[in-house]
Amino acid sequence: GQQLNQSPQSMFIQEGEDVSMNCTSSSIFNTWLWYKQDPGEGPVLLIALYKAGELTSNGRLTAQFGITRKDSFLNISASIPSDVGIYFCAGHKYGNKLVFGAGTILRVKS
Amino acid sequence: DAMVIQNPRYQVTQFGKPVTLSCSQTLNHNVMYWYQQKSSQAPKLLFHYYDKDFNNEADTPDNFQSRRPNTSFCFLDIRSPGLGDAAMYLCATSGLAGGTHNEQFFGPGTRLTVL
Repeated sequence: GQQLNQSPQSMFIQEGEDVSMNCTSSSIFNTWLWYKQDPGEGPVLLIALYKAGELTSNGRLTAQFGITRKDSFLNISASIPSDVGIYFCAGHKYGNKLVFGAGTILRVKS
Repeated sequence: DAMVIQNPRYQVTQFGKPVTLSCSQTLNHNVMYWYQQKSSQAPKLLFHYYDKDFNNEADTPDNFQSRRPNTSFCFLDIRSPGLGDAAMYLCATSGLAGGTHNEQFFGPGTRLTVL
């Protein structure tokens, strides 16, 4: 089946640092989504991207839809302790289903 | 606020004892999904309803069933829970936007423990 390669698998960074994570695929997607999941909670949608090349921001978060439509990245600027969690990318190609990446675990040292 | 609600948040059941998890939504979305998520893994789609049409994933065990009595509610029934069914169960919804169902909105999940 379709798979998304998400990296890095985990990150342990200093508070105030910028963070970057990305997802790549061997096939194209029409939509890229980025979710954040806190421990014991459901994933929360952070950013949705619909056009190749699109760059979208949500506060300190910035995400881009790759030109080839096979990749996307998420940047977090000036990380704070509440950024801790698991970040998932997800791609939508057709129908009603999403394909999820394996997640990036973010830990922040204060 | 429009939202996806899951009850209970924590459910403990015994091996083999049927259990039902519930999901409701106030988003008026026509698609509802059930996912299983094990520790630090991505959510795994079990099945979804497009309106009243049920769509099962090929690798979803027969032990898992679902009911959607109306637009707002959807239930996950586990007929004979095994130890391997202990997981977080997530409900999600999506609505028609731009002709496709791209964005899914998740509930807070139900953590199932099987003793």
